[in-house]
Amino acid sequence: GAVVSQHPSRVICKSGTSVKIECRSLDFQATTMFWYRQFPKQSLMLMATSNEGSKATYEQGVEKDKFLINHASLTLSTLTVTSAHPEDSSFYICSARDAGQETQYFGPGTRLLVL
Amino acid sequence: AQSVTQPDIHITVSEGASLELRCNYSYGATPYLFWYVQSPGQGLQLLLKYFSGDTLVQGIKGFEAEFKRSQSSFNLRKPSVHWSDAAEYFCAVGPGFQKLVFGTGTRLLVSP
Repeated sequence: GAVVSQHPSRVICKSGTSVKIECRSLDFQATTMFWYRQFPKQSLMLMATSNEGSKATYEQGVEKDKFLINHASLTLSTLTVTSAHPEDSSFYICSARDAGQETQYFGPGTRLLVL
Repeated sequence: AQSVTQPDIHITVSEGASLELRCNYSYGATPYLFWYVQSPGQGLQLLLKYFSGDTLVQGIKGFEAEFKRSQSSFNLRKPSVHWSDAAEYFCAVGPGFQKLVFGTGTRLLVSP
């Protein structure tokens, strides 16, 4: 149980285009989902917290107009990197909280490369 | 501000030998502490967590960790390492289980 999937697993796009990453909780309802960014050889950095049906809460320094988050259902959250640039290339990881469980379950990550 | 330090970037252990991965944290109140393992192509998997109570916590896959408040440490241990334990290990701290701050990770290599 408690499986979180991400799609796509990797994506290459041209500079200036937008990329959408999906995060799904497969066997539980996730009232809260989290988006992280991981640079090579560095730790995960929390970008934003999204609660189903409400606006996401962004961490300091994260541009909310750049990284659009939608949490429209209890099993799906999406992260859209708008007008992507090479510096947005990174590993994006989502996690989800199972209601009543005091832990986060992580997806396998999405590697984004912007050319 | 809360922070986590994992001083070892990578560690090599012989299969069957014991393992200890270090984690030191900085946090103003009683922390929630976690150890996660990340294998290539897979999401972070929770090994164990500490909220309160017994300071020696047992986790999955034979791992355990000990919370030492006086040393601000939460080191991960395993008495006998298996080749399948080779992965990246992350320590994390938070005010709960939500806004986690992660360390930079320790890559474990297991030699035959």
